[in-house]
Amino acid sequence: AQSVTQLGSHVSVSEGALVLLRCNYSSSVPPYLFWYVQYPNQGLQLLLKYTSAATLVKGINGFEAEFKKSETSFHLTKPSAHMSDAAEYFCAVSDRRGGSARQLTFGSGTQLTVLP
Amino acid sequence: KAGVTQTPRYLIKTRGQQVTLSCSPISGHRSVSWYQQTPGQGLQFLFEYFSETQRNKGNFPGRFSGRQFSNSRSEMNVSTLELGDSALYLCASSTAGGNTEAFFGQGTRLTVV
Repeated sequence: AQSVTQLGSHVSVSEGALVLLRCNYSSSVPPYLFWYVQYPNQGLQLLLKYTSAATLVKGINGFEAEFKKSETSFHLTKPSAHMSDAAEYFCAVSDRRGGSARQLTFGSGTQLTVLP
Repeated sequence: KAGVTQTPRYLIKTRGQQVTLSCSPISGHRSVSWYQQTPGQGLQFLFEYFSETQRNKGNFPGRFSGRQFSNSRSEMNVSTLELGDSALYLCASSTAGGNTEAFFGQGTRLTVV
């Protein structure tokens, strides 16, 4: 079984400061990993995904994440926070097994607040 | 190209009733997955359909069911609604395989009173 743990349900940063959202995964097979963002009353938008091509993954809006197998982590970072980054962020894992269905297992989410 | 369309956006139902939610995937996407999002349980996988066949199912009671049509549009049905079924129901479409991006709709907000 696979699972995702997001440390910190709420994170506050000042505008211009580094954003770091933590994600640790558990999977019995090499995983696919994703970060999604959700704005109020909206669906989920993909920020970036790891599919084994490169351990450092760059996404949209200046976000990036690094896959660290030894630490089973996939933390999301952004060098400089913007007010528009305030949203809820979800880390998700998908099974890599052949013929796998599209089943994402999500973390509990981290609400990011950006302070002026 | 058009995104994933979910209808209706908002729904209010009475306990004991049944409800049907609709999802139109992105053109060319044959996989449609459904998720339930609640403040207490977070995002939970309901089921996935591919080419009109249910490929995988989450841990939900039999009151939750779904189907997919030949044009890949999908519906999910919840019978005998309970207060705890109040949630945001999200539909996601993708091409195939675990490494492809799932595109999410804006969701249907179901309130059971």
